[in-house]
Amino acid sequence: AQKVTQAQTEISVVEKEDVTLDCVYETRDTTYYLFWYKQPPSGELVFLIRRNSFDEQNEISGRYSWNFQKSTSSFNFTITASQVVDSAVYFCALLQGDSGGYQKVTFGTGTKLQVIP
Amino acid sequence: EAQVTQNPRYLITVTGKKLTVTCSQNMNHEYMSWYRQDPGLGLRQIYYSMNVEVTDKGDVPEGYKVSRKEKRNFPLILESPSPNQTSLYFCASTSLIHSDKHEQYFGPGTRLTVT
Repeated sequence: AQKVTQAQTEISVVEKEDVTLDCVYETRDTTYYLFWYKQPPSGELVFLIRRNSFDEQNEISGRYSWNFQKSTSSFNFTITASQVVDSAVYFCALLQGDSGGYQKVTFGTGTKLQVIP
Repeated sequence: EAQVTQNPRYLITVTGKKLTVTCSQNMNHEYMSWYRQDPGLGLRQIYYSMNVEVTDKGDVPEGYKVSRKEKRNFPLILESPSPNQTSLYFCASTSLIHSDKHEQYFGPGTRLTVT
């Protein structure tokens, strides 16, 4: 069975601080994909990033960066110089993948980030 | 414009009255899925579909049915809704997972209350 753990239920930071959201996953598969999503207070879900299990390169997109470490089964998300617009619930998710395509997706329970002006 | 539409957005119904939540995407994606979101539980996958006429169960399929007769549509059917199906439902549409231009879009959500 696969599992995603986001141990931080809620985090509050002051604007312009850096913040890291943790994600730890469990899977027996060698091929899998990891994702992060953002759910702002308005409620919609926004896809942020996909990472496959064979690519451990870190990724940076503006103020967002992701650190994937297979050795610790972690896929952490860092927001640099946080802004009020970053306030949202962030979800990490795991998808088992093989040559046949898609299988089940498992989400973490989410981390609510509040950025205080 | 890439879009996933869900209808209705809000629904209050009674136990046992069959209902369908529609989901439609305009991106020609192969993969579609349904999730329910409950406080403290995150999102849980109900069903997913890898293409027309190909569907499979997610983690919480009990009490739900789906069909994929056309690529763009993936309705969620509750044959006999019960109060424990009160939840926020999201439909998702996803391009090929291996694609360099991988993309995912979610519908706006359907808030369902079963009394």
